[in-house]
Amino acid sequence: ELKVEQNPLFLSMQEGKNYTIYCNYSTTSDRLYWYRQDPGKSLESLFVLLSNGAVKQEGRLMASLDTKARLSTLHITAAVHDLSATYFCAVDGSGTSYGKLTFGQGTILTVHP
Amino acid sequence: DVKVTQSSRYLVKRTGEKVFLECVQDMDHENMFWYRQDPGLGLRLIYFSYDVKMKEKGDIPEGYSVSREKKERFSLILESASTNQTSMYLCASSFSGLTSGANVLTFGAGSRLTVL
Repeated sequence: ELKVEQNPLFLSMQEGKNYTIYCNYSTTSDRLYWYRQDPGKSLESLFVLLSNGAVKQEGRLMASLDTKARLSTLHITAAVHDLSATYFCAVDGSGTSYGKLTFGQGTILTVHP
Repeated sequence: DVKVTQSSRYLVKRTGEKVFLECVQDMDHENMFWYRQDPGLGLRLIYFSYDVKMKEKGDIPEGYSVSREKKERFSLILESASTNQTSMYLCASSFSGLTSGANVLTFGAGSRLTVL
């Protein structure tokens, strides 16, 4: 059974600081996704990582994937209040084309002045 | 621009009632999913469907059933609602045919169900 674990689950950051969210998963997969959820809203896709060593960047967020270590990271650079949200990683370990994703618990990020 | 629509944002039902949650997507996606979201547990897959009339169990199918009679519509059914089914229910869809192999899910806004 595929398990996906994120840490930390809660992250309180000051504006301007850097931090990293970690996503570990238990079985072989080279397809990993990051989503963002704003309070009261649904999930939006942030990054799609499809191979070992993949790195994607959008603004102050950068995601990477190490399939050998079964680890993905979401790095936040110089945090701003607008980044406050819940971040989920999700792994496709199904080996099919259906896109059956297993999600982590989510990391609730709060950025304050 | 709305792509995945869930019919009810908020529902309150009583224990033992039959509950229908409806989901419609307008992107011609083959795959559709029902997840439930609970604090600290993330999203857990209840059922998914990869074609009309096809369905497969996810990780927590007990107490739920689904129906997919048309490609664009995927319904989640709680035959006899119980209090432990109080949750946020998220519908999603995806396209199988990308050459990259990516399967990005597009989510609906969610249906918050309270069972009393």
